[in-house]
Amino acid sequence: KNQVEQSPQSLIILEGKNCTLQCNYTVSPFSNLRWYKQDTGRGPVSLTIMTFSENTKSNGRYTATLDADTKQSSLHITASQLSDSASYICVVRVGKTSYDKVIFGPGTSLSVIP
Amino acid sequence: GAGVSQSPRYKVAKRGQDVALRCDPISGHVSLFWYQQALGQGPEFLTYFQNEAQLDKSGLPSDRFFAERPEGSVSTLKIQRTQQEDSAVYLCASSLSGTVINQPQHFGDGTRLSIL
Repeated sequence: KNQVEQSPQSLIILEGKNCTLQCNYTVSPFSNLRWYKQDTGRGPVSLTIMTFSENTKSNGRYTATLDADTKQSSLHITASQLSDSASYICVVRVGKTSYDKVIFGPGTSLSVIP
Repeated sequence: GAGVSQSPRYKVAKRGQDVALRCDPISGHVSLFWYQQALGQGPEFLTYFQNEAQLDKSGLPSDRFFAERPEGSVSTLKIQRTQQEDSAVYLCASSLSGTVINQPQHFGDGTRLSIL
């Protein structure tokens, strides 16, 4: 069964600190992996998209890694800010489909406190 | 605005009533998706449109759920005879082309549906 798991379920960090969120998937065939940020009461917003051949991709203070062999990804947030408080969702596209069929993880809820 | 717009933002209905949720995708976007998101969970796929054609409705939980996109732009998700388990946030997303591999889906802010 195609599944995406994330850990931890929730995380609280102090402003200015770094953190790393984890994603494991069993989606097959694999096409790409995305990280989305979802603020409370808002829709998800794309942070990164990584294909099979990409190991690392950065977007400002966000750095995503992908290990397609172990089917793991991480999202590292550097120098956290209060505005980083949100849910971070790992999303995997199923390969060999005629459209953008994706599987969402349950999300990691991040709280950044002053 | 240039983003995906959903209305209403909040909907409260009594059990058994019918509801209709609207999605205005980004202009020119071919692909349109509906998702259901329970509290504290990731979105779950409901249905997919390519222009006006509904190509996948495998995620619709029952025949009480119906979606349409008659002119290939605005879409409506209708739920008949609502039940309490239908309470959730309903998200709409669009993308320029569902066949291009690395295009993200752009989401609206959702409709929060509460069934009393």
